[in-house]
Amino acid sequence: RKEVEQDPGPFNVPEGATVAFNCTYSNSASQSFFWYRQDCRKEPKLLMSVYSSGNEDGRFTAQLNRASQYISLLIRDSKLSDSATYLCVVNLGFKTIFGAGTRLFVKA
Amino acid sequence: NAGVTQTPKFQVLKTGQSMTLQCAQDMNHNSMYWYRQDPGMGLRLIYYSASEGTTDKGEVPNGYNVSRLNKREFSLRLESAAPSQTSVYFCASRGLAGGPSVETQYFGPGTRLLVL
Repeated sequence: RKEVEQDPGPFNVPEGATVAFNCTYSNSASQSFFWYRQDCRKEPKLLMSVYSSGNEDGRFTAQLNRASQYISLLIRDSKLSDSATYLCVVNLGFKTIFGAGTRLFVKA
Repeated sequence: NAGVTQTPKFQVLKTGQSMTLQCAQDMNHNSMYWYRQDPGMGLRLIYYSASEGTTDKGEVPNGYNVSRLNKREFSLRLESAAPSQTSVYFCASRGLAGGPSVETQYFGPGTRLLVL
């Protein structure tokens, strides 16, 4: 079983749609959680941290359920510029474990 | 702050040649990492350095060596390049992400390596 598993994608959605990404992690000792965004042929960049209380940044909402070892990302009112690969990321000690990513295509 | 810088941006090698990928960070982070990413694939950890003077193997260390030269610099060496090492190589450092005791990784722009 992979340490961090994500929806395989790709997700193809029209502009303005709401899209949700899910992620599960296998190690209950995982300490902190993030969503990253990676554009084609570019480096991954931090999108947002994820907290148990849930957190929101504009159109983006992230949730963490430690009991279920489940992380989610909701994007509302999708824009063309949201097209990218979204990576679910977990810290475990000195290691940072990246999911394989979910590709999102937002179309006009 | 430049963040994490990597050189070179692109490199073409012939099988058997050696080269060193350079990485530097100016964020005073303790931990640094080297990843490779193959087309359509996720990131795979090659080596990491939890602090100056220490290095540890990651998921795919074979064919690579690393040096943590000082707190700022972490280099990756290919002693005898093989076509299977054609990939994009990302260096990252890890530091505080704004929350208390929450650290996350910051990446360099990557080195695109082609081994013929």
